[in-house]
Amino acid sequence: EDQVTQSPEALRLQEGESSSLNCSYTVSGLRGLFWYRQDPGKGPEFLFTLYSAGEEKEKERLKATLTKKESFLHITAPKPEDSATYLCAGRGGATNKLIFGTGTLLAVQP
Amino acid sequence: ETGVTQTPRHLVMGMTNKKSLKCEQHLGHNAMYWYKQSAKKPLELMFVYNFKEQTENNSVPSRFSPECPNSSHLFLHLHTLQPEDSALYLCASSQDPITGGRNTIYFGEGSWLTVV
Repeated sequence: EDQVTQSPEALRLQEGESSSLNCSYTVSGLRGLFWYRQDPGKGPEFLFTLYSAGEEKEKERLKATLTKKESFLHITAPKPEDSATYLCAGRGGATNKLIFGTGTLLAVQP
Repeated sequence: ETGVTQTPRHLVMGMTNKKSLKCEQHLGHNAMYWYKQSAKKPLELMFVYNFKEQTENNSVPSRFSPECPNSSHLFLHLHTLQPEDSALYLCASSQDPITGGRNTIYFGEGSWLTVV
């Protein structure tokens, strides 16, 4: 069964403390790995799409990487405004649908 | 204006009520979607419309009835809902349906639904 698993479920960091969020996938024939940010009470905001192993993309303090089994969202020197839930989704499988993980809730304390 | 706008943002309805959620996209996309987001669960795809034709219905109960009058507007008509239907309902759009091409899906802010 095609699946996307995110870890940890929740992460608390001090401001400036770099870390990584993990997204493991078992999606056959992956056609894209997507990262979204979701603030409380709002819809997901698109961050990155990665298409092939080895690909990397950056935006401000965030960098997303992709291997054949997982993706990482690296957060460098986070600030409190980076606090949000980060969602990962893979497209592929028999139906080519987007399969979402349950997200990682990130809290960055000043 | 944001790319995908949803109204209302919050809705409380009784189990015998009839209400509708509205979505409008200003991105010139051809595909629109309804997703359901419940606590601790992954986003669940409910319906897909491509060029205002429904192309997917993921076994959604008939108490949820979608309508897509054109490529820019999408409605979700609600009637005789159950308390377990309380969730965040997200509208989204993409250039082409998710089943084809390298598409990015863009979401609206969501409509919080509480069924009492």
